[in-house]
Amino acid sequence: QVQLVQSGAEVKKPGASVKVSCKASGYSFTDYNIHWVRQAPGQRLEWMGWINPGNGYTKYSQKFQGGLTITRDTSATTAYMELSSLKSEDTAVFFCARLAHSWNAFDYWGQGTLVTDSS
Amino acid sequence: SYDLTQPPSVSVSPGQTASITCSGDNLGDNFVSWYQQKPGQSPVLVIYQDDQRPSGIPERFSGSISGNTATLTISGTQAMDEADYYCQAWDSGTYVFGIGTKVTVL
Repeated sequence: QVQLVQSGAEVKKPGASVKVSCKASGYSFTDYNIHWVRQAPGQRLEWMGWINPGNGYTKYSQKFQGGLTITRDTSATTAYMELSSLKSEDTAVFFCARLAHSWNAFDYWGQGTLVTDSS
Repeated sequence: SYDLTQPPSVSVSPGQTASITCSGDNLGDNFVSWYQQKPGQSPVLVIYQDDQRPSGIPERFSGSISGNTATLTISGTQAMDEADYYCQAWDSGTYVFGIGTKVTVL
């Protein structure tokens, strides 16, 4: 069965970086784009960007351009989301999600990773 | 930037029908998806391509679109349907979510 398993919760100081992983299993990793979505406490889902695991192509939301880097390791069937220069308002749950391209919808989601501000 | 408008909350009695709207400019030109999110959980896709239901999603969930307004309908609402519901569309290379609608089953 398709699974996306994310790394555990992180506590970070403002100005630091955080890197969250998303391990995929149960399907061909390179056949589906992986997207990242942020959800601040009590707020809406917010799309951040995506990666094509097959060729490494990435596209980022303008809001996160410059501070966001999405990468992948095909041998480990894992995608990564790194956010730099964290601010206190970056406290949020980050989700990875698989895009079913024929539907243009997110059909499987990771369990979410909470990143909190230590200040 | 593109925005999708949803009512913040909808209340419904058990067994009745809940309707959640989502409106946006030229929404009819793009497919709309709907997600259910319960507290502390990941979103679950309940409708894609405006009105298609993934396998495993109960038939009481249906979607429709008219002009620039999409609607998610829950027929015969059950207590387990109490959750936040988000619409989502694609516009100019970006993916946009609505603000979410909290469905309360009274």
